[in-house]
Amino acid sequence: QVTLRESGPALVKPTQTLTLTCTFSGFSLNTFGMCVSWIRQPPGKALEWLARIDWDDDTYYSTSLKTRLTISKVTSENKVVLKMTNMDPVDTATYFCARVQMVAGSPLFDSWGQGALVTVSS
Amino acid sequence: DIQMTQSPPSLSASVGDRVTITCQASQDIVNYLNWFQQKPGKAPKLLIYDASNLQTGVPSRFSGSGSGTHFTFTISSLQPEDIATYYCQQYDDRPMYTFGQGTKLEIK
Repeated sequence: QVTLRESGPALVKPTQTLTLTCTFSGFSLNTFGMCVSWIRQPPGKALEWLARIDWDDDTYYSTSLKTRLTISKVTSENKVVLKMTNMDPVDTATYFCARVQMVAGSPLFDSWGQGALVTVSS
Repeated sequence: DIQMTQSPPSLSASVGDRVTITCQASQDIVNYLNWFQQKPGKAPKLLIYDASNLQTGVPSRFSGSGSGTHFTFTISSLQPEDIATYYCQQYDDRPMYTFGQGTKLEIK
């Protein structure tokens, strides 16, 4: 059974750096075609894809946020970490991590964590 | 970046109705499109990938079609548990996986 769980601070101050951890089980990020993505959703708004890290350590970022994001993995601990710098109140959102299986080049976002609400406020 | 426009933004239908949601891409995305269902307070769930392929375990009343810039998501017979917001997502512009703005489906 595949599970993912997001953890991190519920409240951060403007200009601070947010660090979120996705702890997963039921699959290995060493397996060909396995990836983990981060997606966020401001309250009452649409989903926004943020970043992806692949089994081969390749990383990809949203073009609008790439200067602020860093995604990394600790394969031995089944964890993926997302760092977002210079947080602003507009970054208030629920942050989800998801397993992405690359199947014939298509990304299957087939398992998701429950999400972690992060509020940015002084 | 590719923009995805969903319509309608919200929809009210009766149990048993056929429901259709459309998604328009700002440029040709071939068939590189996912459809997700998100129930209130929950994570999204993948229903359709490659525009028309049903994800494992998803009921057959859900279907998708289209290619190029115009895509359709259909529920053949609406059930009470289908109340949710539905999102399309393109992955032609890899890996900028742009989502649509969502369609909120309610029971009439």
